[in-house]
Amino acid sequence: NAGVTQTPKFRILKIGQSMTLQCAQDMNHNYMYWYRQDPGMGLKLIYYSVGAGITDKGEVPNGYNVSRSTTEDFPLRLELAAPSQTSVYFCASSPGVWELFFGEGSRLTVL
Amino acid sequence: DQQVKQNSPSLSVQEGRISILNCDYTNSMFDYFLWYKKYPAEGPTFLISISSIKDKNEDGRFTVFLNKSAKHLSLHIVPSQPGDSAVYFCAAPNAGKSTFGDGTTLTVKP
Repeated sequence: NAGVTQTPKFRILKIGQSMTLQCAQDMNHNYMYWYRQDPGMGLKLIYYSVGAGITDKGEVPNGYNVSRSTTEDFPLRLELAAPSQTSVYFCASSPGVWELFFGEGSRLTVL
Repeated sequence: DQQVKQNSPSLSVQEGRISILNCDYTNSMFDYFLWYKKYPAEGPTFLISISSIKDKNEDGRFTVFLNKSAKHLSLHIVPSQPGDSAVYFCAAPNAGKSTFGDGTTLTVKP
């Protein structure tokens, strides 16, 4: 019973590099989300999607891009990594607009 | 403008006693609230929720109270157990998105 799977779990990037955080869910949920959590802070919404082909910005979208070509996958692209993007990233999915099911997180460090 | 606030970053209680975690909100459009629990190196998991048509919801040792006039909710854990030590987030969904508080780290001492 996989739920929400995120890869990689850890990554170190150099300033200016790019990468994609992968997220896949096997629960057939329409809603998917990307959050970031900085130390001592709550979860800030980066991007979300209400279904395949539909994405929208959250609170902190700058420096990120997403796509949603299938119901299952919701990758997050970081272009030109900056130290301010050092954070823990959580992908989540939901069958509706209530309870979220989270992945285990991806810890990214930009040096 | 932080619409969901958890003003206590941390709380320490003795095993067997009551833990009370608080959350305030500013957006009157919020009509449903959830509490999530997060252990280190794991993603948050859903704990308990409450609809604005209720003022209390109970699930075992966990009870959430909602005071709409004060825009305040609280999570009560009775009795507290060491395994309850975690970060607790209050969240409010609205227009397809959930807004989270900054979390309260609960430590339950044996």
